[in-house]
Amino acid sequence: DAGVIQSPRHEVTEMGQEVTLRCKPISGHNSLFWYRQTMMRGLELLIYFNNNVPIDDSGMPEDRFSAKMPNASFSTLKIQPSEPRDSAVYFCASSSPGVGVGTDTQYFGPGTRLTVL
Amino acid sequence: AQSVTQPDIHITVSEGASLELRCNYSYGATPYLFWYVQSPGQGLQLLLKYFSGDTLVQGIKGFEAEFKRSQSSFNLRKPSVHWSDAAEYFCAVGHTGGFKTIFGAGTRLFVKA
Repeated sequence: DAGVIQSPRHEVTEMGQEVTLRCKPISGHNSLFWYRQTMMRGLELLIYFNNNVPIDDSGMPEDRFSAKMPNASFSTLKIQPSEPRDSAVYFCASSSPGVGVGTDTQYFGPGTRLTVL
Repeated sequence: AQSVTQPDIHITVSEGASLELRCNYSYGATPYLFWYVQSPGQGLQLLLKYFSGDTLVQGIKGFEAEFKRSQSSFNLRKPSVHWSDAAEYFCAVGHTGGFKTIFGAGTRLFVKA
C-alpha cells in the first residue's frame, strides 16, 4: 500500500504567485482532509471531503484558498495569490468509515512544506 | 462542543524512564479517542484508539493509554522510553457529528541520554 501521496514535498514561491498542492488518498478511502501546521497555530483543519463532496470548509482561512476533489483519487489545494503568512506544512489525510461515525482513523501523507518569500 | 486539552507543551524524559502524556477531553457522551505521533519531518501516525470496552488500550511501539471517564482523561503511557520516541504526540477525539477529528495542540517529547 502506497499510503497517502502528496506533491510536491517542498515548494518555494514568491508572494503573489499561485500555488497548487496535490494529494492522492489511499485507494478505497472515501474521506479526505486538508490540514495546515505551523508553530504558532499548531494543526488546523482546513477542509474535508466525503465521497468527493466538500462537507466543511469553515477552516479555510480566506478566499485565496480553494480546494477541489474531482474524483476519488485526487484532490488539490490552491492558494492564489500566496502570501508569506501562508508558509506552513500542509498535510493531506484520508480515512474510511470505522464502526461508526467519528471512529475513523486518519492516514496522513508526508506533507508539503510551503515557503512563500 | 467537543474539545481536547494537552496540558504539557513539551516534556523531557531520560532514556529508559517511564512516560506519561496527559490528555483531557470534553464531550457529553462516550468519546472516540485517539493518540497520534508525529516524528520530525513526517505526517501523523496512529498509535492507538479507544471506542468502547476495556479502558486500557494497547498500541504500537509499546504504548498504552487508559480511558478514565470520571477524570475525562485519556493519558498515554510507556514504561521505558527509547531515544527514537522523541516526537510530537497528539491526542484527538472523534466527532460524532461527521467525520471530523478534533486534535489537541500536541506535546513534544524530548528524550535525553
